[in-house]
Amino acid sequence: GAGVSQTPSNKVTEKGKYVELRCDPISGHTALYWYRQSLGQGPEFLIYFQGTGAADDSGLPNDRFFAVRPEGSVSTLKIQRTERGDSAVYLCASSLRGQGMTEAFFGQGTRLTVV
Amino acid sequence: GIQVEQSPPDLILQEGANSTLRCNFSDSVNNLQWFHQNPWGQLINLFYIPSGTKQNGRLSATTVATERYSLLYISSSQTTDSGVYFCAVEPRGGSYIPTFGRGTSLIVHP
Repeated sequence: GAGVSQTPSNKVTEKGKYVELRCDPISGHTALYWYRQSLGQGPEFLIYFQGTGAADDSGLPNDRFFAVRPEGSVSTLKIQRTERGDSAVYLCASSLRGQGMTEAFFGQGTRLTVV
Repeated sequence: GIQVEQSPPDLILQEGANSTLRCNFSDSVNNLQWFHQNPWGQLINLFYIPSGTKQNGRLSATTVATERYSLLYISSSQTTDSGVYFCAVEPRGGSYIPTFGRGTSLIVHP
């Protein structure tokens, strides 16, 4: 596609439920990043994929958070047993990392609200 | 990890005014990007500028990597420039992870 696409745009869920957030990166981009942004803050790193593997997951806050990228393209961020503190905008970015170019491009984000 | 500080945190301008936003970082970087986050939350790429100077219309940016700072210049500001401006740096040494500052919130009044 022309840009990074994230679905859904908005998600409201009840505390304790499971949610999946999807990211479709720019075609051909090997690197994919997930970030979380709370109100008034800058985006905070969660996890980085290079191809299919999670090259760095040091930003995941706890084991309720998990992300996959099985075919090296689309990625899914999964949150189990959601808590109200998980409410934030989840941003995905992709880049041509590994091919000499590292400019990152972001999707429009998924606004998650846990009630 | 690397620290990224942006200043000022908030800025209010009258339409037509010029401004300079600053990004300081605590360690050597491979790359630096400036973004504009619009009122709908979309992060829009402004500059990819690990060093040197670039210009795009009313906006320009300069990164002095050896002194660990970057500047974003906005000239003849317009109301559509309002939003939050973020600097993100990729630390040297292989982490490959863009790290963001807390941003500068800009409001341009007509």
